[in-house]
Amino acid sequence: QVQLVQSGSELKKPGASVKLSCKASGYTFTTYPMNWVRQAPGQGPEWMGWINTNSGNPTYAQGFKGRFVFSLDTSVSTANLQINSLQTEDTAVYYCVTKINYDLDYWGQGTLVTVSS
Amino acid sequence: QSALTQPASVSGSPGQSITISCTGTSTDPGTYILVSWYRQHPGKAPQLIVYEVNKRPSGVSNRFSGSKSGHTASLTISGLQAADEADYYCCSFATTTPVFGTGTKVTVL
Repeated sequence: QVQLVQSGSELKKPGASVKLSCKASGYTFTTYPMNWVRQAPGQGPEWMGWINTNSGNPTYAQGFKGRFVFSLDTSVSTANLQINSLQTEDTAVYYCVTKINYDLDYWGQGTLVTVSS
Repeated sequence: QSALTQPASVSGSPGQSITISCTGTSTDPGTYILVSWYRQHPGKAPQLIVYEVNKRPSGVSNRFSGSKSGHTASLTISGLQAADEADYYCCSFATTTPVFGTGTKVTVL
């Protein structure tokens, strides 16, 4: 069955960088794009963008251009999200999400990133 | 991006039906054609329960139904159960940037 397994929680200081991973299984990784969604504490989800898992071409939503980097390691069916120059406002749960049959139908379990001095 | 507004909270007793609205400011009717709904239990990832306004993914109970009228999409939960207590979000896929609604907390009394 389709599974997206994300890396564990991270605690970082402001200004640091963090790289999150999302390992896919149960389907051909390069067939479907991977989306990233952020959910700040007590807030609704926010779509960050997506990466074409075949070409590696990323597309970033407004507000996520510059410090956020999507990448792939197709050899291990893994999508990555790197956040540079972390700010306290980046504290959130980050989800990788793909569309196999319907709109954003498979979600990872989420990775909590806490940014605090 | 046009925001999608939902009521902050809706409540109902077990067995009752409740409806959650999702209203946008966009004048593009296409905004409301590709609306999905997600349920999110505390500490869990959102789960797709309705897509393209009124279609249910395989395995989702037929107690969940979606509809739209004008600039408003709606999710109705019939036969309310304790397990339905969660946050619910609408999402429009009409543009290149999916937009989520503000979210509704459903409480089962």
